[in-house]
Amino acid sequence: QKEVEQDPGPLSVPEGAIVSLNCTYSNSAFQYFMWYRQYSRKGPELLMYTYSSGNKEDGRFTAQVDKSSKYISLFIRDSQPSDSATYLCAMSGQSSASKIIFGSGTRLSIRP
Amino acid sequence: NAGVTQTPKFRVLKTGQSMTLLCAQDMNHEYMYWYRQDPGMGLRLIHYSVGEGTTAKGEVPDGYNVSRLKKQNFLLGLESAAPSQTSVYFCASRSGSWKTGNTIYFGEGSWLTVV
Repeated sequence: QKEVEQDPGPLSVPEGAIVSLNCTYSNSAFQYFMWYRQYSRKGPELLMYTYSSGNKEDGRFTAQVDKSSKYISLFIRDSQPSDSATYLCAMSGQSSASKIIFGSGTRLSIRP
Repeated sequence: NAGVTQTPKFRVLKTGQSMTLLCAQDMNHEYMYWYRQDPGMGLRLIHYSVGEGTTAKGEVPDGYNVSRLKKQNFLLGLESAAPSQTSVYFCASRSGSWKTGNTIYFGEGSWLTVV
């Protein structure tokens, strides 16, 4: 079983829709939860990160962490065609030396 | 500010050939990583380094070697390339301090094909 599971998609939604992206994990030691966005033929770039449980909002993006269920989500409001990309969740433990484990990524397409 | 730079960007190798991928970062980061990305597999950690002169194995280290002789550079070597090593390789770096969160910065990727 992988430490981090993520539905690969692809996910296609119309412009303006609310998008929900999710990951589950098995390692209860994970404390830092991140979402990266990766455009085609580019390196991943950090979108949001959250420490421990709770919500974090940044513009149209909201990250949620439910440690009791080992489940994290990324919501995109008012989705735009420019949001079309692959979204990867990532997690890490408390120690500075902890490795960062990535999900396999969900490919998202926003239809104009 | 260049960030993380990888060279070369594209390379075609014959089976059995050797090559080195170079990663350079100008952010004075302690930690550096080499990942490979394959369809449906996500990012898998090959090797990483927690500081100059240190290296450690990741999830899929077989067939690869690394060196971190200078803090700003992290080299990934393939001694005898195999078709299974056809992939996109990403170098990444991050600060060791938790004060800056866990932001990891990626390079643009190196596309390697082994025929």
